[in-house]
Amino acid sequence: EVQLVESGGGLVRPGGSLRLSCAAAGFSFNSYTMNWVRQAPGKGLEWVASISDSGDHTYHADSVKGRFTISRDNPEKSLYLRMSSLRADDTAIYYCVRDPNGYKYGDSWGRGTLVTVSS
Amino acid sequence: SYELTQPPSVSVAPGQTARITCSAEALPDQYVFWYQQKPGQAPLLIIYRDILRPSGIPERFSGSSSGTKATLTISGVQSEDEADYYCQSPDSSGPWVFGGGTKLTV
Repeated sequence: EVQLVESGGGLVRPGGSLRLSCAAAGFSFNSYTMNWVRQAPGKGLEWVASISDSGDHTYHADSVKGRFTISRDNPEKSLYLRMSSLRADDTAIYYCVRDPNGYKYGDSWGRGTLVTVSS
Repeated sequence: SYELTQPPSVSVAPGQTARITCSAEALPDQYVFWYQQKPGQAPLLIIYRDILRPSGIPERFSGSSSGTKATLTISGVQSEDEADYYCQSPDSSGPWVFGGGTKLTV
């Protein structure tokens, strides 16, 4: 069974930093592109970032480019999102999402971790 | 980048057929995917590559795509189908694009 478990969310002040983690289990982690997708309270879904199976290629949404960095550790079966210069509009649930076959969609989602940016 | 437009809400009686559309001025030559999200839960993939259902998704869920519009059809709607539904398609330049979501009321 595929398992994706996010952690690292919490309350952070504007301008602060946070690192999210996602622990993967139940599949060959190093064979899949992985993603972060977020959802602001009461709002829709927004893709944040993607990283290729090897970690060689990364992509970030314009809204987070230069502030967020996606990375992975394949031996540890872990996905990360380093967030800095956080703003109030970064407040959201952040989901770790598996992308099969490179078709750019999510076939498995974690339960998410809540990030709240507030003073 | 482009935008995917969904109706904010759709209401249907139990047992009826619900259709949720996802449109763009020019839907690119990319597949459309559909997710169901119930309150307090993560999104669940229910349709991939326009028309395919993952294992475990009931047959009453089906997808279609033509021209600038994709449609999610739920036949014989049940109360448990009440949820938010999102369409998604990849932009050729890289990012995923999501529709704004449709709240289905049964």
